Order: sequence, then structure tokens, then C-alpha cells
Amino acid sequence: DVKVTQSSRYLVKRTGEKVFLECVQDMDHENMFWYRQDPGLGLRLIYFSYDVKMKEKGDIPEGYSVSREKKERFSLILESASTNQTSMYLCASSTVAGAGGRETQYFGPGTRLLVL
Amino acid sequence: GDSVTQMEGPVTLSEEAFLTINCTYTATGYPSLFWYVQYPGEGLQLLLKATKADDKGSNKGFEATYRKETTSFHLEKGSVQVSDSAVYFCALPSGSSASKIIFGSGTRLSIRP
Repeated sequence: DVKVTQSSRYLVKRTGEKVFLECVQDMDHENMFWYRQDPGLGLRLIYFSYDVKMKEKGDIPEGYSVSREKKERFSLILESASTNQTSMYLCASSTVAGAGGRETQYFGPGTRLLVL
Repeated sequence: GDSVTQMEGPVTLSEEAFLTINCTYTATGYPSLFWYVQYPGEGLQLLLKATKADDKGSNKGFEATYRKETTSFHLEKGSVQVSDSAVYFCALPSGSSASKIIFGSGTRLSIRP
């Protein structure tokens, strides 16, 4: 079974703090994604990465950065946390191998971040 | 651009009721279509998919038929259970990138015993 793990389930930070959210997948997937999930807005893509050290902006990258130094790990960084970044953050991965491989994303359990 | 529109929730049903969650899409061509489900406290997981027009995806008693005439992919289940309480997302691959997926806003389903 594919396993995607996220470093924290719940996190409380103060405005202006630098926040690191870590995601690790164990299936050697090429693609990794960071989303935020907010009521009424569904999932919005922040960043994704299709290879080590490669990244691409999603729909809402402002205020975020990412790092992918190893294939299995994809980090989301909030340089200076703000209250409007309070949200559920979901990490996902997918493979490019096989017919339709890209079409199935495997998600971690999410990190609920509260910025005070 | 490509998009997905699904019915707003929350939807509350009694156990053994019939379920329909509507989903329509806008896309270039005929992409694969998906339903993902998010159980309480968990991430999303793929529930079912259909890869071409008139295909029916099915899993765990849920079904959805790819209808290109109406650009729809409605999710149905004949008899829901309490354990089906979750948030359901309709989705399709992004036309701009083969690896990205566009998700609908989600429909929260609650089943009363």
C-alpha cells in the first residue's frame, strides 16, 4: 500500500513565524503536491513537484515556498505565517508510470494549521 | 479552462436511502473523470473512475456513468450506510498538465442511523 505521511496532524503557530510542513511518500513516486483545503473552496493546489529539485507553482503559491531535495520528501514552507494561512494542508503523490498512473493521487492525512 | 461543478452540501440521508451527488464538468476533449472520498480525519482517496464516454466506474456499491452528452458524472448508491458519511469530490485531470487534477468543491454527506 502506498503510504503518504505528514509530519504533524495539528500545528499552532504565531503570526510571523516560519513554518515547515513535511511530507514523505514511500512508493518512489515522481510527482508530489501540496494543497490547502478550506470549507466551500475545496482543494486548491499550492505547489507541485515532478522531480527532485523541480517545482511548479499551483493556483495559490503566494506566501508559500517548497523544497524537494530527495525524491520521497516534499516540504512546504510558510516564510512568515499569517492568519489567512490557517487551513488544512494536504500532501499527495502520484506516479507517471503505467497507463493512467498520473490520474491517481495518494493523499496524506493532512495537517491542520492554526495561525494565531 | 477545465472545471468541475458539484452539488453543494451538506447532504443528510437516512440509512438505506438512495444517494445521488451531481457533478458536471467543462473540459476540452474527453478526459478521465474521478470521484474521490475523504473520510473523517483522513486524506482523500480515489473511490472510482471512468476513462471514456459511457464508461461506468464502480466501487463499494457506488457507481458513476460518464455522460458526454450532458457532461456529467453523477455519483449514485442504492442504499447508503452510516459508514458512507464523508466528503465526496468530483475531479478530472487538468488540461494544462497531465499530472495535475482539478477537484470540485466537495459535498459533505451525513447518514443518520
